Amino acid sequence: AQSVAQPEDQVNVAEGNPLTVKCTYSVSGNPYLFWYVQYPNRGLQFLLKYITGDNLVKGSYGFEAEFNKSQTSFHLKKPSALVSDSALYFCAVRDFGSDTNAGKSTFGDGTTLTVKP
Amino acid sequence: NAGVTQTPKFQVLKTGQSMTLQCAQDMNHNSMYWYRQDPGMGLRLIYYSASEGTTDKGEVPNGYNVSRLNKREFSLRLESAAPSQTSVYFCASSGRAGGPNTGELFFGEGSRLTVL
Repeated sequence: AQSVAQPEDQVNVAEGNPLTVKCTYSVSGNPYLFWYVQYPNRGLQFLLKYITGDNLVKGSYGFEAEFNKSQTSFHLKKPSALVSDSALYFCAVRDFGSDTNAGKSTFGDGTTLTVKP
Repeated sequence: NAGVTQTPKFQVLKTGQSMTLQCAQDMNHNSMYWYRQDPGMGLRLIYYSASEGTTDKGEVPNGYNVSRLNKREFSLRLESAAPSQTSVYFCASSGRAGGPNTGELFFGEGSRLTVL
């Protein structure tokens, strides 16, 4: 079975400071890892993913994430936070299984990021 | 392109009533999913359809049924609504692994359901 943990319900940072939103995962086989963002009363939007290759993945809106296989982590980072980054962030792991069409995503419980001016 | 479209956006039901949530995608995706989102519990998979003609249970299927009507449409039905089914429901779709958008989900805007 696959699982995702986001250990922090809430992360608060000041605008202009770096931010980190933590994620650890458990999966058999190679992980496919994703970050999504949700703004109030909206659906989730894809930010970035790790499938294979470089451990540092760059995504939308200046976000990046670092895949660490030994620590089974996939932390989301941004060098300089903006007030507009305030939202709910979800980490997810996907299992493609034996059928590449059948992959189911498992989500963490989400981390609320608040960036203060 | 509209992406993933869900209807209705809001619905209030009484206990025991039935309803169907509709979902359609115009991205030619093979796989479609229904999730529910509850505070502090992330997203939990209700049912999914890996391809047209197939459906499978997810993590929390009890009290729900689904129909993959064609490649575009995937509906979720509550036969006898219960207060525990008060939630925000999201439909999502994804393309085939190895394609240009490998693995990420595309979500609708959500359907807010209240069961009294």
